[in-house]
Amino acid sequence: DTAVSQTPKYLVTQMGNDKSIKCEQNLGHDTMYWYKQDSKKFLKIMFSYNNKELIINETVPNRFSPKSPDKAHLNLHINSLELGDSAVYFCASRHNPGQGAYGYTFGSGTRLTVV
Amino acid sequence: GENVEQHPSTLSVQEGDSAVIKCTYSDSASNYFPWYKQELGKGPQLIIDIRSNVGEKKDQRIAVTLNKTAKHFSLHITETQPEDSAVYFCAAKGGVSGGYNKLIFGAGTRLAVHP
Repeated sequence: DTAVSQTPKYLVTQMGNDKSIKCEQNLGHDTMYWYKQDSKKFLKIMFSYNNKELIINETVPNRFSPKSPDKAHLNLHINSLELGDSAVYFCASRHNPGQGAYGYTFGSGTRLTVV
Repeated sequence: GENVEQHPSTLSVQEGDSAVIKCTYSDSASNYFPWYKQELGKGPQLIIDIRSNVGEKKDQRIAVTLNKTAKHFSLHITETQPEDSAVYFCAAKGGVSGGYNKLIFGAGTRLAVHP
């Protein structure tokens, strides 16, 4: 019944590896996001997709590549992982315009640890 | 781009006291201001929000005020309870300079409510 679900919840991997994080929402929202939360809890937007189209791409290394096979899914693939990529990554989706609300619904996060 | 500053970074109160968290934003075109509560190991959860055409909104023990002229908004929690202990984030929905489709978050306030 989870509205925004992310997998895996924890991910420990070695430097240089390639990994993916998956996100799915069952809310019928058109817009999805990836946010990165660092060790100081700061939340920073990375990407946003609207109905499978990329609409926001912040200054993120091109080792990070989002993919949206359909509007209910937004996956994040990371190549050549670095120590500084260690963080909690949150997926979120947003109410569609006209639904009277603008709030985001967040997933429970994926804690990525690069060793 | 949009910048959101949040204070204080930590706040410690006794059970039953009130707690106030303040935020300022930089983009005068911002028109939506949500507040999120993040408990340990979980994703941020929307607790209250306010739009720019409203000065104040209340939901039981939680209230938010907005001063558009000063570009300030605040979260007020009355009769605090230990379960209110969490990290609270303010956010502003980007105006023209910030990008219409993204929320810019403050750095968070760690609230501790002591019994």
